[in-house]
Amino acid sequence: QQQVKQSPQSLIVQKGGISIINCAYENTAFDYFPWYQQFPGKGPALLIAIRPDVSEKKEGRFTISFNKSAKQFSLHIMDSQPGDSATYFCAASRDRGSTLGRLYFGRGTQLTVWP
Amino acid sequence: DSGVTQTPKHLITATGQRVTLRCSPRSGDLSVYWYQQSLDQGLQFLIQYYNGEERAKGNILERFSAQQFPDLHSELNLSSLELGDSALYFCASQGASGANVLTFGAGSRLTVL
Repeated sequence: QQQVKQSPQSLIVQKGGISIINCAYENTAFDYFPWYQQFPGKGPALLIAIRPDVSEKKEGRFTISFNKSAKQFSLHIMDSQPGDSATYFCAASRDRGSTLGRLYFGRGTQLTVWP
Repeated sequence: DSGVTQTPKHLITATGQRVTLRCSPRSGDLSVYWYQQSLDQGLQFLIQYYNGEERAKGNILERFSAQQFPDLHSELNLSSLELGDSALYFCASQGASGANVLTFGAGSRLTVL
């Protein structure tokens, strides 16, 4: 059973455009929602994370929007650049101190930004 | 460089064999997590250790085991290997404070022939 569902599987965006990736979760006990970025041959790297007490978090060109009632959250990449081309994973966990790292990951979105 | 070191980077072995993957966490991080990334299952949590003790098990097969040593490095042992065990295995570490983020290593790619 996939605890976190992610879409789309792949996304092609022109340089300067907005990339949007969506995730949905089932377990209402989840209270930590990170996004990871992975380049080929590398491990996932934390991009940005949100907790359910806020509906939006922005860091530079990256924004997470969170809808607690719908159990959905999304990543928006503004002014997408070719260097953003990577695989993006959403994830969720229950943050009880040492449990934060027991993440349930979505299946990933392969983003390609055309120059 | 994330600060989490994994060896070997690549490993090719045959079915039925046993391998050991090694992980050194970031300096000062007490928690080590192991994840498996495969085309079939995606990224899945296998097991967590905290300061030498097992804390949680995820979707880890009985043929797999792990341990964390006093110097905090960890090893993942995979035995009676099957073709389906071919995957990327990631180690990640987390600091002593629960607010610290999870930092992944570059992974060990296992190919079982």
